[in-house]
Amino acid sequence: RKEVEQDPGPFNVPEGATVAFNCTYSNSASQSFFWYRQDCRKEPKLLMSVYSSGNEDGRFTAQLNRASQYISLLIRDSKLSDSATYLCAVNSGGQNFVFGPGTRLSVLP
Amino acid sequence: DTGVSQDPRHKITKRGQNVTFRCDPISEHNRLYWYRQTLGQGPEFLTYFQNEAQLEKSRLLSDRFSAERPKGSFSTLEIQRTEQGDSAMYLCASSWQFFGPGTRLTVL
Repeated sequence: RKEVEQDPGPFNVPEGATVAFNCTYSNSASQSFFWYRQDCRKEPKLLMSVYSSGNEDGRFTAQLNRASQYISLLIRDSKLSDSATYLCAVNSGGQNFVFGPGTRLSVLP
Repeated sequence: DTGVSQDPRHKITKRGQNVTFRCDPISEHNRLYWYRQTLGQGPEFLTYFQNEAQLEKSRLLSDRFSAERPKGSFSTLEIQRTEQGDSAMYLCASSWQFFGPGTRLTVL
């Protein structure tokens, strides 16, 4: 089993829809969790860290479920500009951040 | 623009040649990471520097790969005797938050 797994998608949703992605991790000792956004042929950009209590940034909400070992990202009122690949990253100590393969989102007009 | 620069942006080389990439991180950041990313995959950790010290290396970093960060400023990643399997995007990150634009390597 891979250390960090994501559904590759693509998720095709209409503008204005709410969409959610999950990311599962296998190492129960994982300590830090992040969501990145990556546009085609560009570098990943940090979207948000994921805190134990869950956190929200505008239309984006991230949650952590330690018992089931997954993190989630919810995007409300999706925009065309949200179309991208969403990568989760998990840190289990040290400086090795393990990334999932990413979930591709297409927001359609 | 994250403030992290990488050079060159693209490199095409023949199998067996050596290549060197450079990363200039954000000036006050003492942590620097190298990652490799292939199509359809997330970035894979290669190595980590704190200032000039290389503190972590992935098993992916074979003996053909070497990285340096003299004086704790810019960093270089060298691949010797390149193989077709080395074709990938090589990403540098300043701290864990800011990625550079990457160097796309194609080995023919």
